[in-house]
Amino acid sequence: DIVLTQTPLSSPVTLGQPASISCRSSRSLVHSDGNTYLSWLQQRPGLPPRLLIYRVSNRFSGVPDRFSGSGAGTDFTLKISRVGAEDVGVYYCMQTTQSPITFGQGTRLEIK
Amino acid sequence: EVQLLESGGGLVQPGGSLRLSCAASGFTLSNYAMNWVRQAPGKGLEWVSTIGGGGGNTYYADSVKGRFTISRDNSKNTLYLQMNSLRAEDTAVYYCAKYELVGGRFFDYWGQGTRVTVSS
Repeated sequence: DIVLTQTPLSSPVTLGQPASISCRSSRSLVHSDGNTYLSWLQQRPGLPPRLLIYRVSNRFSGVPDRFSGSGAGTDFTLKISRVGAEDVGVYYCMQTTQSPITFGQGTRLEIK
Repeated sequence: EVQLLESGGGLVQPGGSLRLSCAASGFTLSNYAMNWVRQAPGKGLEWVSTIGGGGGNTYYADSVKGRFTISRDNSKNTLYLQMNSLRAEDTAVYYCAKYELVGGRFFDYWGQGTRVTVSS
């Protein structure tokens, strides 16, 4: 199984400052079709997960442009350009390149 | 508007069974693969199972293979998860999620979840 390792596990951030979360895969996430199927999800407290980014860098509908994704191969990053109070929660990376589908362990974003 | 509404969770004894349902609206269920994902208390997300749009292809995590069965009734716009031989470690909130395969293999919509507790 592909293991996704996120760092940091917890990230205290000052409001208005940027935040960055890393997701490292145990194997390349490049599919045989040439695409890389790495997504980012946000889970606010008490709510279900919500899709933010798909295929490494594509923002899902309605996601603010302060969220961006980048990376290739085995190393990926989610960046929030200016953290707001509504961004508090746990962020997960997820791969659907290879079965079984796997998730990172999650990164908790909190406000300092 | 896409909506997914899970139901069927509850308290069940070890070794018991439960069937979860996920009612879909706002899209044509038969056109999409669907998934179940679970989250144990205080833990992260774990993929459980996927079913193709036509229902012919099913996939399971090793942790549930042979005990859980995913199915769908497209005429009722409903996804199911039959859970047998339940164990304490199956205790979790279970989410159904729509699978967008054509656009990039991502889970674009999630339900609110239904809680399953396996305990004597």
